Amino acid sequence: NAGVTQTPKFRVLKTGQSMTLLCAQDMNHEYMYWYRQDPGMGLRLIHYSVGEGTTAKGEVPDGYNVSRLKKQNFLLGLESAAPSQTSVYFCASSYQGSNTEAFFGQGTRLTVV
Amino acid sequence: AQRVTQPEKLLSVFKGAPVELKCNYSYSGSPELFWYVQYSRQRLQLLLRHISRESIKGFTADLNKGETSFHLKKPFAQEEDSAMYYCALGYSGAGSYQLTFGKGTKLSVIP
Repeated sequence: NAGVTQTPKFRVLKTGQSMTLLCAQDMNHEYMYWYRQDPGMGLRLIHYSVGEGTTAKGEVPDGYNVSRLKKQNFLLGLESAAPSQTSVYFCASSYQGSNTEAFFGQGTRLTVV
Repeated sequence: AQRVTQPEKLLSVFKGAPVELKCNYSYSGSPELFWYVQYSRQRLQLLLRHISRESIKGFTADLNKGETSFHLKKPFAQEEDSAMYYCALGYSGAGSYQLTFGKGTKLSVIP
């Protein structure tokens, strides 16, 4: 049982380049989340999805787009990367929302130079 | 606005000493509180949730609605407890559910 898998694990981008981070879960979870983790800032919610075909903005959505075309996948896109987007990105999923455990991926370390 | 505050960035204790990681929250509705832990080179994982009222790895946390707190406690710290700890608040609204995290506290247990 793989759980939540993020691809890639590491990436270096040049300013202005685009890329897509993939999150895949095999637990048939409805909810999926993208967070970024920065030193001293904890985890901040970028976007989330409550089911296939739905997405919603979190706390820090600017500069990112997401899609949930399939229930098991949640994609995070950076259209024009900026150095301020250098961070560790975590994907998480949960069966439902209220009082259920969120399962996290291993993280993607992104550096924008 | 919903908010989770963890006042200590770093907490260092000696092995065998008691541990208390503080967490305060701001939410007008009925809160759902969690503690997540991230050990070195491992992914973030759930430690415990207030609704379960359980003890995991010797840790407990009690929801105090009067003080809007959910402090994590352990009577005797072990070296393997060294990790990053995040308090999280779950809340529903407008047909969705969000999980908001505090900034985290790094616990270092000194041998």
